[in-house]
Amino acid sequence: DIQMTQSPSSVSASVGDRVTLTCRASQDITNWLAWYQHKPGKAPKLLISSASSLQSGVPSRFSGSASGTDYTLTISSLQPEDFATYLCQQGKSFPLTFGGGTKVEIK
Amino acid sequence: QVQLQESGPGLVRPSETLSLTCTVSGGSIRNKYWSWIRQPPGERLEWIGYIYNSESTNYNPSLKSRVTMSLDTSKNQFSLNLNSVTTADTAVYYCVRYSRGETPFYSFDIWGQGTMVTVSS
Repeated sequence: DIQMTQSPSSVSASVGDRVTLTCRASQDITNWLAWYQHKPGKAPKLLISSASSLQSGVPSRFSGSASGTDYTLTISSLQPEDFATYLCQQGKSFPLTFGGGTKVEIK
Repeated sequence: QVQLQESGPGLVRPSETLSLTCTVSGGSIRNKYWSWIRQPPGERLEWIGYIYNSESTNYNPSLKSRVTMSLDTSKNQFSLNLNSVTTADTAVYYCVRYSRGETPFYSFDIWGQGTMVTVSS
């Protein structure tokens, strides 16, 4: 199975901050990487697919990038509604696997 | 737009079968990939498997021996059966649309709200 490792596990930030989250794959996943936003008691929401393709309706302050087996989700200016847990998921091979998440908390 | 809603018992006894149904509204269940994903308390999301048009299934090897997925096109529903459950199967279960062969590629684009299933005697 492909292991997905997210870092940090949590981050404290303020409204307006730039936040960068990382997801590392245990092997090459050729950019088949998705990012989700997950709030307590809600279903995860797809933000980005194919490492950098923003889903329709997702604010442009969210962006994704890739470098080798490292993938990055950047929130350019954190908004109050962005405090949540962010998950990555690889779509390269079965079984499909998720990272453990990064919780973005209010500083 | 397409919406998903899980239904089924919230409590299952150990060794019995967990059965959940997902009702799809706002679109046809045909020619799409439908998945189940779960999240045990304090753990990461785990993909259980997918079903496509009743002709194709793909299960997580970690659960394959206990999982069966089915699809009812007349009701626009798909279902999950997980047999011989233990307390380790306690989790929030989500029904999800898996996007394969079309954008957004190889990701889960529509989710149900999730349903908590507790395995306990």
